[in-house]
Amino acid sequence: AQSVTQLDSHVSVSEGTPVLLRCNYSSSYSPSLFWYVQHPNKGLQLLLKYTSAATLVKGINGFEAEFKKSETSFHLTKPSAHMSDAAEYFCVVSDSSNTGNQFYFGTGTSLTVIP
Amino acid sequence: ETGVTQTPRHLVMGMTNKKSLKCEQHLGHNAMYWYKQSAKKPLELMFVYSLEERVENNSVPSRFSPECPNSSHLFLHLHTLQPEDSALYLCASSQEMAGGPYEQYFGPGTRLTVT
Repeated sequence: AQSVTQLDSHVSVSEGTPVLLRCNYSSSYSPSLFWYVQHPNKGLQLLLKYTSAATLVKGINGFEAEFKKSETSFHLTKPSAHMSDAAEYFCVVSDSSNTGNQFYFGTGTSLTVIP
Repeated sequence: ETGVTQTPRHLVMGMTNKKSLKCEQHLGHNAMYWYKQSAKKPLELMFVYSLEERVENNSVPSRFSPECPNSSHLFLHLHTLQPEDSALYLCASSQEMAGGPYEQYFGPGTRLTVT
């Protein structure tokens, strides 16, 4: 069975400091992993994805994530937070055993950026 | 966000009303999805259509009825809803092909309030 655990429901950082949003996954097969961001009153936007290529994945807006199979983790990082990064972030797992490209979402991490 | 559009953006309806949510994707994708997003809960997959055929129905109550007339359009017909159905309803699309799963692209959602 596939599942995702986002370890923090809320993260607060100061502008210009690093961001770390944690995600652990469970998957019976080779997983594909995604991070999405949702700004208030908006849909979800893809930040980055891992699909069994390079384990360090670079995404949009300076975000990146590292796939660590031994730790079953896919944490999202950014070296320097910007005010515009304040949003809800979702970690998602899917795998090649699925039909219909089913995604399993985490409960989300709300990121606050303090000026 | 302009790749997937949803109308209306906001909807208030009584429990005895009948209304429909509309989704349109302009990305040439062959799969479409309905999700329900409630506060403090993971996104819930409701329906999946692949090549205009329903392939997933996650035990959704019959008061929600999907329709996919072609690969670009998806509807969610609502009838006799309950207050607990109030939520953000998100539509998504993706391109299914060998080697997947592939990322899903989301619309901005319809904020539904049932009174």
